[in-house]
Amino acid sequence: QVQLQESGPGLVKPSETLSLTCTVSGGSISSYYWSWIRQPPGKGLEWLGYIYYSGSTSYNPSLKSRVTMSVDTSKNQFSLKLSSVTAADTAMYYCARASIFGMVPYYFDYWGQGTLVTVSS
Amino acid sequence: DIQMTQSPSSLSASVGDTVTITCRASQSISSYLNWYQQKSGKAPKVLIYAASSLESGVPSRFSGSGSGTDFTLTISSLQPEDFATYYCQQSYSSPFTFGPGTKVDIK
Repeated sequence: QVQLQESGPGLVKPSETLSLTCTVSGGSISSYYWSWIRQPPGKGLEWLGYIYYSGSTSYNPSLKSRVTMSVDTSKNQFSLKLSSVTAADTAMYYCARASIFGMVPYYFDYWGQGTLVTVSS
Repeated sequence: DIQMTQSPSSLSASVGDTVTITCRASQSISSYLNWYQQKSGKAPKVLIYAASSLESGVPSRFSGSGSGTDFTLTISSLQPEDFATYYCQQSYSSPFTFGPGTKVDIK
């Protein structure tokens, strides 16, 4: 059974960089797309972007150039960096696997439990 | 970006009821539409993908239909464990976007 686990600081200061890692167990990171999705307290879901195991990426333009994703296949991990954070970036951050259907990322079939990141001084 | 809307935003229903939730896309997304269930404090769980395909392990009382811009999620014979928030999500084009959610609670 594939399992995902987010890790990283739960508190980040304004203007600093949020860094999270997702560790995949029970399966290989290869041949799938891997995403970050966040949910502000009491609000809906926002897709931040995805990274393919080969390293190709697609980011949500709403984040402009603040987001960077990377993958380490040797560790079965992928990571998120979000720079210049503000209070608006306070959210539960989920990592998820995007199952492929018709050779494109289609739906999120495995999710981590989520990690709450608060932006505050 | 493709905007997703859902209706209603919330509903109250009883165990055994049939519930229908509607999702609309701002442009045609073919069948690139997925449905998720999220219970309080938990990660979302996929129910339906490609508009009408039931994810493995999901009870058959959940069904999806639609294509183009209009989609529905139907829950037949609502069970106590189905009280949750439901989200639709399009994967037709990046950025992938979610609907605002429909909260189903107990009448």
